[in-house]
Amino acid sequence: DGGITQSPKYLFRKEGQNVTLSCEQNLNHDAMYWYRQDPGQGLRLIYYSQIVNDFQKGDIAEGYSVSREKKESFPLTVTSAQKNPTAFYLCASSITGGGTGELFFGEGSRLTVL
Amino acid sequence: QQQVKQSPQSLIVQKGGISIINCAYENTAFDYFPWYQQFPGKGPALLIAIRPDVSEKKEGRFTISFNKSAKQFSLHIMDSQPGDSATYFCAATPYAGGTSYGKLTFGQGTILTVHP
Repeated sequence: DGGITQSPKYLFRKEGQNVTLSCEQNLNHDAMYWYRQDPGQGLRLIYYSQIVNDFQKGDIAEGYSVSREKKESFPLTVTSAQKNPTAFYLCASSITGGGTGELFFGEGSRLTVL
Repeated sequence: QQQVKQSPQSLIVQKGGISIINCAYENTAFDYFPWYQQFPGKGPALLIAIRPDVSEKKEGRFTISFNKSAKQFSLHIMDSQPGDSATYFCAATPYAGGTSYGKLTFGQGTILTVHP
């Protein structure tokens, strides 16, 4: 089945540690995105990539980094510079030309900083 | 100007009733308005979407009403069912030939509970 796989589902981190969240898709989509979800704030865009080896900052990129070395993979690193990293992180993908504009989301990774 | 304001934060409806969630925006460049449904522990999934060239779009029990002059749009769920209990997000983005679809500005979300 085609879809987006995020791992790990739950992650605990000590303050000062970097952590990398994995996102893999087999939908053959060109575009991939990372969103952060906090209660009462909806989803906010962290980074997005429309093509391999290229990515752009979203609205809340500070303290995060990404790479896009393969079309199917878009890992997110939450660095120690992120002041409030505890959140639910969602990866998504979409086609970039035509279509319905639908974003396909993974099931998320919940990060807790201890 | 980039915000999308969603209300109410939570909504309780009896089975068979109508659920109504409202959203308002300021950015006149927004040109595509989807609604996403999210069940606990899952990622959101597209429910229904509208572009401002129409004032209403209906898919089954779900209807989007769009008022371009007021910069408001709403989701109506007719004959609400317990299985509709979820968090609903409105969103908006400028339409740019498909390249902006994913750069959505989301509302704050509405937690819908439908009692049997």
